[in-house]
Amino acid sequence: GESVGLHLPTLSVQEGDNSIINCAYSNSASDYFIWYKQESGKGPQFIIDIRSNMDKRQGQRVTVLLNKTVKHLSLQIAATQPGDSAVYFCAERGPGFQKLVFGTGTRLLVSP
Amino acid sequence: DTEVTQTPKHLVMGMTNKKSLKCEQHMGHRAMYWYKQKAKKPPELMFVYSYEKLSINESVPSRFSPECPNSSLLNLHLHALQPEDSALYLCASSQDQARRYEQYFGPGTRLTVT
Repeated sequence: GESVGLHLPTLSVQEGDNSIINCAYSNSASDYFIWYKQESGKGPQFIIDIRSNMDKRQGQRVTVLLNKTVKHLSLQIAATQPGDSAVYFCAERGPGFQKLVFGTGTRLLVSP
Repeated sequence: DTEVTQTPKHLVMGMTNKKSLKCEQHMGHRAMYWYKQKAKKPPELMFVYSYEKLSINESVPSRFSPECPNSSLLNLHLHALQPEDSALYLCASSQDQARRYEQYFGPGTRLTVT
């Protein structure tokens, strides 16, 4: 079956550090991946996405890397700020799939 | 306006009650979704509406009844729920189902069933 999972349930970093959140997926047919940020009391917020024909995509302070060989996705956050504290979910969409499949989530804690 | 609104924010109901959750968006999106999220878990898809028609029901129990009165509104009618149905219920919308990955989420309704 398909699954999307995360290696680390909680990641604690200091303000100003770079953060890396990892995600493993098992469906090699998935063609699209998304990172969402969910702050306490809020719904998930779209951060960045990447298609399977790419291996890297950059946004503002965030970079997503895709390694299809090992079916691994990562989200890098540069100069992490307290406002980045949240739960981060990766999600995948497979071709012909009619839904997003969310990973288990990683909580990012940023200390000042 | 890139906002999805949900009411109420919190709801406490007994197992014999009937209640409804409401979701609204004014982005012109034609696909709308209901998700259930338990604490410390990822959102789980329940229903998808595409152009006001139900296109996906993820084998959700009949005590949950969705309704899409028009392209901007999505309701979830609740009846005879169980305590294990307590969760955060999230609504989302996207431009259409083909662009389902670009989903905008509302803040959710936190439901407690007593």
